[in-house]
Amino acid sequence: AQSVSQHNHHVILSEAASLELGCNYSYGGTVNLFWYVQYPGQHLQLLLKYFSGDPLVKGIKGFEAEFIKSKFSFNLRKPSVQWSDTAEYFCAVNGGNTDKLIFGTGTRLQVFP
Amino acid sequence: DAGVIQSPRHEVTEMGQEVTLRCKPISGHNSLFWYRQTMMRGLELLIYFNNNVPIDDSGMPEDRFSAKMPNASFSTLKIQPSEPRDSAVYFCASSKVRERKQFFGPGTRLTVL
Repeated sequence: AQSVSQHNHHVILSEAASLELGCNYSYGGTVNLFWYVQYPGQHLQLLLKYFSGDPLVKGIKGFEAEFIKSKFSFNLRKPSVQWSDTAEYFCAVNGGNTDKLIFGTGTRLQVFP
Repeated sequence: DAGVIQSPRHEVTEMGQEVTLRCKPISGHNSLFWYRQTMMRGLELLIYFNNNVPIDDSGMPEDRFSAKMPNASFSTLKIQPSEPRDSAVYFCASSKVRERKQFFGPGTRLTVL
């Protein structure tokens, strides 16, 4: 069965600090990987996705993620966070012949000015 | 382009009442997903449809929950009878089959007293 682990439950940073949120998945086959963001009171929006090709994926708002197959990881990074990045971030995996997305439990990011 | 539309946005009801949540997917999308989000359990997939046909309902908590998709532009999630533990935000998402990039609606915040 597929599963996703996000070990950082709550991250607090100052503006301009660098960000890395961990995501590990468990699935033996080919996977598609996603990061979604949920701003306070809003719905989930897609930040970036990896299907195949270059394992370093760039998304919106300066975010990027790197797929490391040997580590079953897809960590999200941003070199310099802003107050407006305060949100909850969800990693998700899809694998096999299904359209289901399995989500991690989310990481709450708070950025202070 | 209208995104995924959900109604109502907020619902407050009393235990034992029937609750119906509605979703209109993005035009041209033929996969539809219902999720439930709670603090304790995070984001859980309840059921999803491809081309109006339920594909996987393994996430539906119990018989009190039912979902239908009578046509390509409308789906309902019904809870009968509702219980306080059903209080959550219910999201609907849609995508094109096999595209695996899901677009989320704004959610319905359900409170069962």
